[in-house]
Amino acid sequence: AQSVTQLGSHVSVSEGALVLLRCNYSSSVPPYLFWYVQYPNQGLQLLLKYTSAATLVKGINGFEAEFKKSETSFHLTKPSAHMSDAAEYFCAVSPSGGGADGLTFGKGTHLIIQP
Amino acid sequence: EAGVAQSPRYKIIEKRQSVAFWCNPISGHATLYWYQQILGQGPKLLIQFQNNGVVDDSQLPKDRFSAERLKGVDSTLKIQPAKLEDSAVYLCASRLDWVSPLHFGNGTRLTVT
Repeated sequence: AQSVTQLGSHVSVSEGALVLLRCNYSSSVPPYLFWYVQYPNQGLQLLLKYTSAATLVKGINGFEAEFKKSETSFHLTKPSAHMSDAAEYFCAVSPSGGGADGLTFGKGTHLIIQP
Repeated sequence: EAGVAQSPRYKIIEKRQSVAFWCNPISGHATLYWYQQILGQGPKLLIQFQNNGVVDDSQLPKDRFSAERLKGVDSTLKIQPAKLEDSAVYLCASRLDWVSPLHFGNGTRLTVT
């Protein structure tokens, strides 16, 4: 079975600072990996996904993530944080590796942006 | 395009009562999912439909939860009887095909007292 672990339930950064949200995965097959964002009282929105093409994946709102097989990691970064980035972020993996099924999500990281 | 529609947005019931949630996916999306998101946790898949057939319901507590998608379009999720631990946000999601992203609704927040 595949799973993801998000390190840090809360991350606080200053506006304009680098955002780094950590995700490590466990998989017996080449994984499909995803990052989603959830704003209060809303559903989840896809930020980006890795499907075994380029290891550096660019997403919406200036976010990107790098797949590192040797470290089994898929950390999410953004060079400069904005107040509007404050939200809950979820890393997810496709259980079968093919992306055709429902995703397995991590517990989430709450991103706090300080002015 | 219109997004995934869910209703109601909020529901408060007492334990042992029954409740139903409704989801209308994006038009043309064959695959539909129900997730349960308990406060402070990530969403957990309950059931996946492909058209009107069930693909995966391995994590659905079948003694109290049921779901259907009779015409392959909208879907209902029912809990009968509800327990306190069922308090959560129930999210519906749909996708066009397996290479397309999941689109989520805004969810139904259930409180069981």
